[in-house]
Amino acid sequence: GQSLEQPSEVTAVEGAIVQINCTYQTSGFYGLSWYQQHDGGAPTFLSYNALDGLEETGRFSSFLSRSDSYGYLLLQELQMKDSASYFCAVKVNQAGTALIFGKGTTLSVSS
Amino acid sequence: DTAVSQTPKYLVTQMGNDKSIKCEQNLGHDTMYWYKQDSKKFLKIMFSYNNKELIINETVPNRFSPKSPDKAHLNLHINSLELGDSAVYFCASSLSLRTSESYEQYFGPGTRLTVT
Repeated sequence: GQSLEQPSEVTAVEGAIVQINCTYQTSGFYGLSWYQQHDGGAPTFLSYNALDGLEETGRFSSFLSRSDSYGYLLLQELQMKDSASYFCAVKVNQAGTALIFGKGTTLSVSS
Repeated sequence: DTAVSQTPKYLVTQMGNDKSIKCEQNLGHDTMYWYKQDSKKFLKIMFSYNNKELIINETVPNRFSPKSPDKAHLNLHINSLELGDSAVYFCASSLSLRTSESYEQYFGPGTRLTVT
């Protein structure tokens, strides 16, 4: 089977830095994506790692270590609007299968 | 202009009924998906279509039947609705099935289905 593990909840204060980890055990691996979903909203794409290393996009960065089957999303200078659920997702086939999502991490940012 | 749209946004119906959800994308993408998100926010792929052809049919009851009249539209018809079908259904699209173009998916606003 496929499994992606993330912490269920993370709390932080405005201005802080938070790291959301994702470990995966999947039948194949063609990249790790991160999505953000606000309550009542749709998931929106944040970042993608196909190769090991760090990808930076503004306040958000994502890291991947394929040898450890591990990645994380790093959110810096947290703002209240960052309160949302964050999902890691793995593409397990080169073509055909859609993304397999983790169960999501609820991030609560307080002032 | 909305990139991926779904109708209806809310659907309340009784067990045993048949209902449809429509999805349209104006992004010119080749690939469209249906996902189900349950009350615990678990997001699971149901179907994937590429250029109107079914690519993935996960272990979904055959009461669920997708239809893609053209590559911009992917509808979902559900027969004999059950309580367990209550969830939010998201349509999504990506440029293509290729790895380099499918990791970024654009989601519609979702359809919250409540079966009573």
